[in-house]
Amino acid sequence: GQQLNQSPQSMFIQEGEDVSMNCTSSSIFNTWLWYKQDPGEGPVLLIALYKAGELTSNGRLTAQFGITRKDSFLNISASIPSDVGIYFCAGQLNYGGSQGNLIFGKGTKLSVKP
Amino acid sequence: SAVISQKPSRDICQRGTSLTIQCQVDSQVTMMFWYRQQPGQSLTLIATANQGSEATYESGFVIDKFPISRPNLTFSTLTVSNMSPEDSSIYLCSVGTRRDGYTFGSGTRLTVV
Repeated sequence: GQQLNQSPQSMFIQEGEDVSMNCTSSSIFNTWLWYKQDPGEGPVLLIALYKAGELTSNGRLTAQFGITRKDSFLNISASIPSDVGIYFCAGQLNYGGSQGNLIFGKGTKLSVKP
Repeated sequence: SAVISQKPSRDICQRGTSLTIQCQVDSQVTMMFWYRQQPGQSLTLIATANQGSEATYESGFVIDKFPISRPNLTFSTLTVSNMSPEDSSIYLCSVGTRRDGYTFGSGTRLTVV
């Protein structure tokens, strides 16, 4: 079945640093989504991408839909303490007018450098 | 986007018992989904809750273990039946479409002892 490889698995940030994470797949998708999950909460949608090559920003967050349709990255600029959490990518393939299921990456855990 | 209320937020249950989780949405939605998130893991789709017909289950999930109701376009329940410690997870309700994006409830944290 379809699988997403998300990296890095975890990373430590210092306030003010830029952060980058990505997802790759052996299969194509026509929707890429990025979510953030805080402890005890459900995932919250950050950015949705619908076209190959699309670059979309949401405040300090920028995400791109890879031109091959098999990858996506998320950048966070000038990180702040509240950026800490787990970030998930999710891909979806729609076909013949039907919505495919969301396939989630394993997550990138962002922590603050001690 | 839709606002989802999920209950209970957490529970500790004895093995062999069943727990029913409720998902209430503040607007009518066509698509409702139930996910499982095992400790420290990603989200896995259990089933799509269909209004007026049986739920569509993903590979590895069966109706006898996870019966789902969808009586109308704003409400669904997921029951975790005959629980074992391996069922300890966060269970999440989600609604949405590709166009509107997918919203998640805050989840039900289940611990089976």
